[in-house]
Amino acid sequence: GAVVSQHPSRVICKSGTSVKIECRSLDFQATTMFWYRQFPKQSLMLMATSNEGSKATYEQGVEKDKFLINHASLTLSTLTVTSAHPEDSSFYICSARDLTGGSYEQYFGPGTRLTVT
Amino acid sequence: GDSVTQMEGPVTLSEEAFLTINCTYTATGYPSLFWYVQYPGEGLQLLLKATKADDKGSNKGFEATYRKETTSFHLEKGSVQVSDSAVYFCALSLGTNAGKSTFGDGTTLTVKP
Repeated sequence: GAVVSQHPSRVICKSGTSVKIECRSLDFQATTMFWYRQFPKQSLMLMATSNEGSKATYEQGVEKDKFLINHASLTLSTLTVTSAHPEDSSFYICSARDLTGGSYEQYFGPGTRLTVT
Repeated sequence: GDSVTQMEGPVTLSEEAFLTINCTYTATGYPSLFWYVQYPGEGLQLLLKATKADDKGSNKGFEATYRKETTSFHLEKGSVQVSDSAVYFCALSLGTNAGKSTFGDGTTLTVKP
C-alpha cells in the first residue's frame, strides 16, 4: 500500500527557533498533501492543504506566516514552524491523497512530536 | 457544513467482548466514509472504508456498513483483543473541497485481558 513518511519523528527546540518537518509520499505521487495538528487526547485539526507547485490553502485561524508550507515536488511537502513558542508544542501529522480509485483516501504519516522549550 | 459525530469514550471492554462504536455524519454531497485507528504515539492507519451506500468495509475482524438512510457508519467487531486498544476515528471525505477529510473526535478503546 501507499506509504507516507515524516521526518523527524521527534524534535525538541528552543523558543524562538524554527523547525522544519518533512512529509514524503514514498511510492506514489501526491499533488495534494494535508497538514494536521493534534493535541493530547483530541482529534486532528486540519491546518492547511498543500498543493504542489502553488501556495498552500490555510484553514481559518492558522497563521500562514508562522506555519510555512512548501510543496515543491510531487512527493515532498514541508512544514516550517517559525519562531516557535511552547504553545506550538504538539503532534503534527501529514497526509497525502492517492488519486487512484476515486475514494479520496488519505495516507497518513507517522507524525512528528514537536516540543518547544 | 460537513460533520462527523462519534460515540463518546472512553470504552473499556474485556477481551472477546463485542464492540460497537457509533458514527453518524452530515455531508453536503455523497461522501466516502472511513475508519482510522491510531496507536499511542503513532499516526493514523486506515482500518476500513466504504465509498457508496450499502457497501461494507472490513479488515482485521472489524466491519462497518455505509447506511445512507440513517447517515451512519458504525464500527463493529465480534471479539476484541487486547491489541485492539487504540483510538478510533470515523471520517468522511468528499470529492469537492480538494478531498479534505472531516474527522470525528475519536473514541478511545481499552481492552482488558
